[in-house]
Amino acid sequence: GDSVTQMEGPVTLSEEAFLTINCTYTATGYPSLFWYVQYPGEGLQLLLKATKADDKGSNKGFEATYRKETTSFHLEKGSVQVSDSAVYFCALGTYNNNDMRFGAGTRLTVKP
Amino acid sequence: GAVVSQHPSRVICKSGTSVKIECRSLDFQATTMFWYRQFPKQSLMLMATSNEGSKATYEQGVEKDKFLINHASLTLSTLTVTSAHPEDSSFYICSARAAATYEQYFGPGTRLTVT
Repeated sequence: GDSVTQMEGPVTLSEEAFLTINCTYTATGYPSLFWYVQYPGEGLQLLLKATKADDKGSNKGFEATYRKETTSFHLEKGSVQVSDSAVYFCALGTYNNNDMRFGAGTRLTVKP
Repeated sequence: GAVVSQHPSRVICKSGTSVKIECRSLDFQATTMFWYRQFPKQSLMLMATSNEGSKATYEQGVEKDKFLINHASLTLSTLTVTSAHPEDSSFYICSARAAATYEQYFGPGTRLTVT
């Protein structure tokens, strides 16, 4: 079945470092791809998304490109801040997002 | 933007009692709502999908008699944990899929502790 595999954490970076969190997917159809962020004690917030191949989602300095040839949707940010510390989930949605699959989550800690 | 609320945000109950959690879409209609469970430091596990006006569809391994789901209107779904036990303690998150865009919007979650 459809699934998402993302880089295991935890990831610890210094402020202003470059961030990459890898995410690959397996899907039989043409899924939409998402990155969600979860701050401690809170629900998930949509960070960015891409609905078709070669689309680039971007928000708050984060970017991810839907790569069909490598079945990937890696999350990147050029310069992280302490406030970016959170858990990041890669996800795919099929059947008009009626079926969403989440990766295991990657905990990011950014130190000043 | 689309907002989903959950109530309560935290609840502590005694073993054997029932707890109801509400999920509301505040500014959009949601024909479909989803209930997830999240264990500490783990990903979300889909428990059930509820469609307005019909019975919920439960994922394999989820007891439908224990986790009662009602989706009575286009903006409200409820999850009732019946005869709660300590192993039901978890973080429960709902999401609502907008009828117009199919985008899923997540609630802030409810932390249930059963003592």
